[in-house]
Amino acid sequence: GQQLNQSPQSMFIQEGEDVSMNCTSSSIFNTWLWYKQDPGEGPVLLIALYKAGELTSNGRLTAQFGITRKDSFLNISASIPSDVGIYFCAGRDPHNFGNEKLTFGTGTRLTIIP
Amino acid sequence: DSGVTQTPKHLITATGQRVTLRCSPRSGDLSVYWYQQSLDQGLQFLIQYYNGEERAKGNILERFSAQQFPDLHSELNLSSLELGDSALYFCASSSQGNSYNEQFFGPGTRLTVL
Repeated sequence: GQQLNQSPQSMFIQEGEDVSMNCTSSSIFNTWLWYKQDPGEGPVLLIALYKAGELTSNGRLTAQFGITRKDSFLNISASIPSDVGIYFCAGRDPHNFGNEKLTFGTGTRLTIIP
Repeated sequence: DSGVTQTPKHLITATGQRVTLRCSPRSGDLSVYWYQQSLDQGLQFLIQYYNGEERAKGNILERFSAQQFPDLHSELNLSSLELGDSALYFCASSSQGNSYNEQFFGPGTRLTVL
């Protein structure tokens, strides 16, 4: 089945730094989504991408749908304490006709060092 | 607040028992998805319902079953529980139209099997 490799697994940064993480797939996707999850909470949708090459921003967050349709990137600029959490990428296989099942990456845990 | 509600928030039970988790989707959403998240793991897709009908199945055990009712709320039934079933269970919903791939998650039910 499909696999989503998300990297890095964890990041330790200082407040104010920029953050980059990415996700790669073994097959093409027609949708990429980025979620953030706080401990014990449900994932919250940050950004949705629908077209190869698409670049979309949501405040300090910017995500891109890779040209090959097998990868996606998330950048966070000028990190702040509330950015701490686990970031998940998720993708939808265009061959999943009739269902909208998402495949999730393994997550990137972001920690801000005081 | 995503608009998706789940009850109960926490559930503690013993091996061999059966439990029911409940989910109410966002107003107007026809699709409901169930995911399992084990400790420090990504989200594993279990099953999707659309307007009362099963639409897609993931890695759902035979001991687990789900249904979606006419009012669109959904229940996930877990039976013959084992220690390894301890996890966070999330429900998500999505709407029709161009944003149908965007799934919105509830706060989850934490199941502990002792």
